[in-house]
Amino acid sequence: DSGVTQTPKHLITATGQRVTLRCSPRSGDLSVYWYQQSLDQGLQFLIHYYNGEERAKGNILERFSAQQFPDLHSELNLSSLELGDSALYFCASSSSGNAQYFGPGTRLTVL
Amino acid sequence: GESVGLHLPTLSVQEGDNSIINCAYSNSASDYFIWYKQESGKGPQFIIDIRSNMDKRQGQRVTVLLNKTVKHLSLQIAATQPGDSAVYFCAETTSGSRLTFGEGTQLTVNP
Repeated sequence: DSGVTQTPKHLITATGQRVTLRCSPRSGDLSVYWYQQSLDQGLQFLIHYYNGEERAKGNILERFSAQQFPDLHSELNLSSLELGDSALYFCASSSSGNAQYFGPGTRLTVL
Repeated sequence: GESVGLHLPTLSVQEGDNSIINCAYSNSASDYFIWYKQESGKGPQFIIDIRSNMDKRQGQRVTVLLNKTVKHLSLQIAATQPGDSAVYFCAETTSGSRLTFGEGTQLTVNP
């Protein structure tokens, strides 16, 4: 158990819908990262938050957004969902400059 | 069109043998490297890390070697066990920012 929690574990929805994925980092970690893992793209960085502030953006679509709250949990919002958004979404947390520890992921299926 | 999954390199070993998994990284500015193990349906699990000022680091049954000259990492697993069967990813980062993952290697341990 990495100490990072993610909910829900599975999510099935329809095209055009909007979903929210939630992540709670390890105790004491200020950084939260979001990654997408699809069959044909591997693990891809989406976005990084540090203590509530956005620090870096990767290959994140404009339909996707994230935030980190004062209690350090983070949410990834995915809107206008398309079939191609079906993937595993992972969050990871770290303390400054150290290893990122990953949660169990949310499997999103868009039908 | 139909999605095509990543064709991962594979390594098949006998239980008790030593395994060596290799990885080439891309960014000569990367200063921190991590090996992760990912079992089916689970999040990447931290195995061992190494900073760019080192060329070797040992953990429990695992050793990571770093060759900055040729931008190459390897993970050695001693006395490989069936529970070691998984996909192994190397990841690189600069100053604790986003992780860039290698393509992964599927390790199969035969009893």
